[in-house]
Amino acid sequence: AQSVTQPDIHITVSEGASLELRCNYSYGATPYLFWYVQSPGQGLQLLLKYFSGDTLVQGIKGFEAEFKRSQSSFNLRKPSVHWSDAAEYFCAVAVLSGGYNKLIFGAGTRLAVHP
Amino acid sequence: EPEVTQTPSHQVTQMGQEVILRCVPISNHLYFYWYRQILGQKVEFLVSFYNNEISEKSEIFDDQFSVERPDGSNFTLKIRSTKLEDSAMYFCASSEHSNTEAFFGQGTRLTVV
Repeated sequence: AQSVTQPDIHITVSEGASLELRCNYSYGATPYLFWYVQSPGQGLQLLLKYFSGDTLVQGIKGFEAEFKRSQSSFNLRKPSVHWSDAAEYFCAVAVLSGGYNKLIFGAGTRLAVHP
Repeated sequence: EPEVTQTPSHQVTQMGQEVILRCVPISNHLYFYWYRQILGQKVEFLVSFYNNEISEKSEIFDDQFSVERPDGSNFTLKIRSTKLEDSAMYFCASSEHSNTEAFFGQGTRLTVV
């Protein structure tokens, strides 16, 4: 069955430090992969996506992610975290079902940023 | 920038009452979705909708749920007889094509008391 695993429920980093959020997926076909961010009380904002091509994708707010097929991973990175990055981050895989994509989300990683 | 809008942002309802959650997808999008996020849990797929019919629904989407596109702009989720466990954040999403990214609204927080 298709699934997404985010091993880290909660991560705390200092402002200015680098960040890596882990995501592993299970899906038999070529995946479409996404990272969404949710600030408290807010909706889901798309950070970046991977459909095909270059395995290192750039997103908004200085984030990037790397697709590694051999590891079934799509980890999110940022070289220098800002206090405003504190939020919950969701990795998702689009499952093609009946011709339509539905998203399978991971449980999320809550990021706290220390000043 | 075009966006998906949802109303209301927060709705409180009594158990057993019917609620309608409203969404206005991005205007040139053809595929519409509802997702749910119970507090502290992951976001879950409820239903996808295209060409005025449901294309897929999850096992959560039982007979008490229905969706409708009553006109050219709105997409609604109706819960016929709400239960306490329906309390959640409900997200509407839309995409231009079946294989392009979905854009999410800000969500409607439903509280059933």
